[in-house]
Amino acid sequence: ETGVTQSPTHLIKTRGQQVTLRCSSQSGHNTVSWYQQALGQGPQFIFQYYREEENGRGNFPPRFSGLQFPNYSSELNVNALELDDSALYLCASTPGGRGTDTQYFGPGTRLTVL
Amino acid sequence: GEDVEQSLFLSVREGDSSVINCTYTDSSSTYLYWYKQEPGAGLQLLTYIFSNMDMKQDQRLTVLLNKKDKHLSLRIADTQTGDSAIYFCAESSLSGNTPLVFGKGTRLSVIA
Repeated sequence: ETGVTQSPTHLIKTRGQQVTLRCSSQSGHNTVSWYQQALGQGPQFIFQYYREEENGRGNFPPRFSGLQFPNYSSELNVNALELDDSALYLCASTPGGRGTDTQYFGPGTRLTVL
Repeated sequence: GEDVEQSLFLSVREGDSSVINCTYTDSSSTYLYWYKQEPGAGLQLLTYIFSNMDMKQDQRLTVLLNKKDKHLSLRIADTQTGDSAIYFCAESSLSGNTPLVFGKGTRLSVIA
């Protein structure tokens, strides 16, 4: 158990819709990162938040956005969903402020876009 | 850009040793990780090695790092059917809050 939880576990949406995925980290984990894992691929970095501010971003368009809250929870929002957004979305939290410390992953949310 | 390569499949018999290999391109990689993913699940951190180490052993797991060749391996001794999963190699560099860069994963199948 990593102490990182995600909700929902599964979600089905249609193209053009918007989705919000949630993550709850361990107390004291100030850094949260989000990754997208397409079928048969390794996880790809979306962005990272540290103390409620975006602290790095991968090669994802602006319709992928996030929030981090003081209670160690965070959200990933995706607007104007496309079929290629179908994937497992993973959040990972890190103790302290350095993203290079060990990242502990949640179980993921599987998003299907029809 | 950074890249991490792994062979896609490995099949071993129960009780044998498994060796999963990984190569990476980023010479500034500081931490190298092995994660395990079982079907329908998230990523479980198995072990990691700092770039100034050559080897790390943790129970049945042995990690070898050849920094000159940018080659990382994970050896699982006495492989069990419960070890069947996808294993991901990942690297990160210590330059600010850098993300993990993952390979595509190696699917390990253990035959009873």
